[in-house]
Amino acid sequence: QVQLVESGGGVVQPEGSLRLSCAASGFMFRTYAMHWVRQAPGKGLEWVAVIVYDGSQKYYGDSVKGRFTVSRDNSKKTLYLEMNKLRVEDTAVYYCVKEERRGSHYYFDEWGQGTLVTVSS
Amino acid sequence: DIQMTQSPSYLSASVGDRVTITCRASQSVRTYVSWFQQIPGRAPKLLIYAASSLRSGVPSRFIGDGSETEFTLSISSLQPEDFATYYCQQSYSTPYTFGQGTKVDIK
Repeated sequence: QVQLVESGGGVVQPEGSLRLSCAASGFMFRTYAMHWVRQAPGKGLEWVAVIVYDGSQKYYGDSVKGRFTVSRDNSKKTLYLEMNKLRVEDTAVYYCVKEERRGSHYYFDEWGQGTLVTVSS
Repeated sequence: DIQMTQSPSYLSASVGDRVTITCRASQSVRTYVSWFQQIPGRAPKLLIYAASSLRSGVPSRFIGDGSETEFTLSISSLQPEDFATYYCQQSYSTPYTFGQGTKVDIK
């Protein structure tokens, strides 16, 4: 079965950096686009970034553009999120999400359990 | 960016009730809408994609409908395990925005 396991979360000071990882198994990772979605404590869901199957295209939400970088290593079946210049408002649970495609539709069919990032001095 | 506005933000209902949640897009998203259920402390779970397609394994009491700018998620007969927060999301264009969520609570 599909498994997405995030790691790398923790406590970091404002302006600091952190790298999240997501280890994938149970599906052909190299053929799927992957996303990061976050959720601040007690708040709703916010889409963060997407990377296409081969890493050739990446898109970001406005709140993280220029500070976060999504990447992937298909040989290791691993997705990454490099987060720089972190702000208090980046505090959230970060989810790794698999994108499924059916015809012209694409949707988020599998989610990891999430990893908590806390930005605090 | 496309805004997704859910209503209501909160609803209280009893087991067996039919409930409907509405999601309005700020511009047409055709049928590129998904619905997710989230139980506290857990990751979101996909229920509906392409506005009305039921994900395999999801009970048939979950019904999605709509197109262009107006979408609904109905639960035909609320079960105890359905008390959760529900989110709509558009995948028509980046950023793939979510609604603010609807919490369904036990009356």
